[in-house]
Amino acid sequence: AQKVTQAQTEISVVEKEDVTLDCVYETRDTTYYLFWYKQPPSGELVFLIRRNSFDEQNEISGRYSWNFQKSTSSFNFTITASQVVDSAVYFCALSEPFKAAGNKLTFGGGTRVLVKP
Amino acid sequence: DAEITQSPRHKITETGRQVTLACHQTWNHNNMFWYRQDLGHGLRLIHYSYGVQDTNKGEVSDGYSVSRSNTEDLPLTLESAASSQTSVYFCASSVVGGNEQFFGPGTRLTVL
Repeated sequence: AQKVTQAQTEISVVEKEDVTLDCVYETRDTTYYLFWYKQPPSGELVFLIRRNSFDEQNEISGRYSWNFQKSTSSFNFTITASQVVDSAVYFCALSEPFKAAGNKLTFGGGTRVLVKP
Repeated sequence: DAEITQSPRHKITETGRQVTLACHQTWNHNNMFWYRQDLGHGLRLIHYSYGVQDTNKGEVSDGYSVSRSNTEDLPLTLESAASSQTSVYFCASSVVGGNEQFFGPGTRLTVL
């Protein structure tokens, strides 16, 4: 069975500090996707990134960066120079193996990030 | 613009009543999903569909049912609402394969 663990339930930082969110996953499959979603206080879920299991290159998008390490089954997310607008709950998710039809997701419990001015 | 909508956005009902939550998407996506979000549990999959007339049970399907009669809609029915089903419900859709899912705004359901 698939499992995603986000051990940090809540992180509090002061604006401009860096913050890293941990995500560890379990799967017996060799092909899968990993995702990060953001849920701001308004409640909607916003897609941030998708990585497939064959691509271990780190990715940077503005102040966001992701570190995927298949050897440790981790897909960590770093926010550099955090801002108040980054305050949200962040979810890591794991897909089932590549299939022609669909892609069920298994979500972690989420990490609440609070950025104080 | 294409979108995914849920209705109602808020619902209060009583134990034992049947409740239906609507989900409508205009992206023409084959795949649709229902999740519930509870504190400490993240999002858990209730039911999903990979096309018209296709429905499948997810992790927490007991007490829920869905039907898919067209591409755009996947209504979620609580047959006999229970207090344990008080939650925020999210609908999502995606194209085939491993692409990202797009989520609706959510429905907050309270069962008294």
